[in-house]
Amino acid sequence: SQQGEEDPQALSIQEGENATMNCSYKTSINNLQWYRQNSGRGLVHLILIRSNEREKHSGRLRVTLDTSKKSSSLLITASRAADTASYFCATFRNSGNTPLVFGKGTRLSVIA
Amino acid sequence: DSGVTQTPKHLITATGQRVTLRCSPRSGDLSVYWYQQSLDQGLQFLIHYYNGEERAKGNILERFSAQQFPDLHSELNLSSLELGDSALYFCASSRTKAGLSYNEQFFGPGTRLTVL
Repeated sequence: SQQGEEDPQALSIQEGENATMNCSYKTSINNLQWYRQNSGRGLVHLILIRSNEREKHSGRLRVTLDTSKKSSSLLITASRAADTASYFCATFRNSGNTPLVFGKGTRLSVIA
Repeated sequence: DSGVTQTPKHLITATGQRVTLRCSPRSGDLSVYWYQQSLDQGLQFLIHYYNGEERAKGNILERFSAQQFPDLHSELNLSSLELGDSALYFCASSRTKAGLSYNEQFFGPGTRLTVL
């Protein structure tokens, strides 16, 4: 079963608005990563937040992590049409040779 | 461009056939991961190799197998193909040691497999 579950499944906003996507997970983690995927193409890493961090920024991206609620959010500010893509969270657990586990993604459409 | 290459880009074949997908990781990356992405299942982890050795297995069918060669490129072999195997297959690489995927993974452009 998927470790990360993104919410909402799809989001449509106007250019210039902010977009917020949420991710919930089930077990303890070492870090959580967000990736972007343009239609039919490979995933691109956006940002990594470690379990001892609460907030991280990268350009127009802001990620928060609440380990007590086992949830994370990705905020894209001042969205652009080029931000249209699917966004996935992926969690890395603490133990063993466990791989990254991806959620099913949020499909973001930014309308110009 | 992530630096990860995959061939072929598209593959169309018939049920019952066998195909091989190829992946070359970024220069210096020792870990290679394979994923399957279909519309209804999302991105599913298949298998992870580190420096030629299998390190982790996910939801990989027995009909599927993979290996990583001494030059670090990897191949995913899919046999006795079924309609449900139609999907995008991605490989990714990373610099980190086996089991310690702290850092980002770099994804290739994928191979789109269509089984008719």
